[in-house]
Amino acid sequence: DVKVTQSSRYLVKRTGEKVFLECVQDMDHENMFWYRQDPGLGLRLIYFSYDVKMKEKGDIPEGYSVSREKKERFSLILESASTNQTSMYLCASSFELRGDSFGSGTRLTVV
Amino acid sequence: QKEVEQDPGPLSVPEGAIVSLNCTYSNSAFQYFMWYRQYSRKGPELLMYTYSSGNKEDGRFTAQVDKSSKYISLFIRDSQPSDSATYLCAMWGGNQFYFGTGTSLTVIP
Repeated sequence: DVKVTQSSRYLVKRTGEKVFLECVQDMDHENMFWYRQDPGLGLRLIYFSYDVKMKEKGDIPEGYSVSREKKERFSLILESASTNQTSMYLCASSFELRGDSFGSGTRLTVV
Repeated sequence: QKEVEQDPGPLSVPEGAIVSLNCTYSNSAFQYFMWYRQYSRKGPELLMYTYSSGNKEDGRFTAQVDKSSKYISLFIRDSQPSDSATYLCAMWGGNQFYFGTGTSLTVIP
């Protein structure tokens, strides 16, 4: 089974802090994705990557950036955290679909 | 109009019941249709995916796609308490990918 590991389950950060969310997958998937999940809004795609050092904006990229230096690792960066970025963040990887394997999520609270 | 509409529930059924979960969509370009299961405090898990119209069965789960009505369903037979979770539909096509907001299901022993 593919394993997608997110480095933190829960994070509390202060407004204005720079936040790094890390994701690692172990199945050599080309594609990796970052989503946020909010009640009533479902999953929304922030950024995705089809290859190392390659990134594409998703539906809600504002306030976020990403880094993919190695195939197995995809990082999401909140340059200056704000309270409206409090959310559940989910990383996914896949060969084709927009994420057939998800991590357990990071619940980020910005205070 | 949202690209994908899914009744949030919550849906509560007795153990052994047949469960029907549904999504409607508006974009005729969607070709791939997925169902995910998400347990509390976990990430979504891909249950089934189908291409175009028709039915697909996997154990107690059946996914059904009716492209003419823009309507997809997931049926769960002989539902178990372990099926209690949020079920998300998702659709992909024409370079567009959308998730539904999820239906919360509780199966009561």
